[in-house]
Amino acid sequence: QVHLVQSGAEVKKPGASVKTSCKVSEHIFTNSAIHWVRQAPGQRPEWMGWINTGNGRTKYSQKFHGRVTISRDTSARTVFMELSTLRYEDTAVYFCARWFGESEALDVWGQGTMVTVSS
Amino acid sequence: DIEMTQSALSLSVTPGESVSISCRSSQSLLHDNGYTYLGWYLQKPGQSPQVLIYLGSNRASGVPNRISGSGSGTDFSLKFSRVEAGDVGVYYCMQALQTPFTFGQGTRLEIK
Repeated sequence: QVHLVQSGAEVKKPGASVKTSCKVSEHIFTNSAIHWVRQAPGQRPEWMGWINTGNGRTKYSQKFHGRVTISRDTSARTVFMELSTLRYEDTAVYFCARWFGESEALDVWGQGTMVTVSS
Repeated sequence: DIEMTQSALSLSVTPGESVSISCRSSQSLLHDNGYTYLGWYLQKPGQSPQVLIYLGSNRASGVPNRISGSGSGTDFSLKFSRVEAGDVGVYYCMQALQTPFTFGQGTRLEIK
């Protein structure tokens, strides 16, 4: 069974960075596409970017103007999402999700990490 | 970016009734490979989204056949033949034709 387990909630000040993690089931890690999607309170989900866990290639939404970095630690079967220069409007739940090629859908989601930006 | 629009922000339905949720994209979601990259996701209160329908009309594992997806090009629908109490939540359409993937604003389904 496929699982994505995310790290705990974070509170950060404006201008700081946050790095959240997503641990991936062993049997799917080596060749998966892990996407990051965030959802501000009461808003629709917003796609941020993705990483190929096999070769480390990434692609990001231009909306974040280079503030987002997605990386992986293969030995730990973990994907990371770092968002820098935090603003109040970055307060949101951040989800990781697996893209499944056979269905062309985000078929497994992590439980989400709440990131609060507050002074 | 492809813009996704859901016409209804909320729907209130009596159990057993049928209902349809609509979604429109700003450009065709038909890929050169012949597949249409439109999915439907349900987010129950306090939970992560879960996929219901992929590639426009294919049910994800465990989705009952009273729920169906249809449409082509830029116009899509999610249909319930008989709504049940467990269907409450917010339904989002999402295009995956190109990055950035984009979501509709969501339709909240409530049960009377």
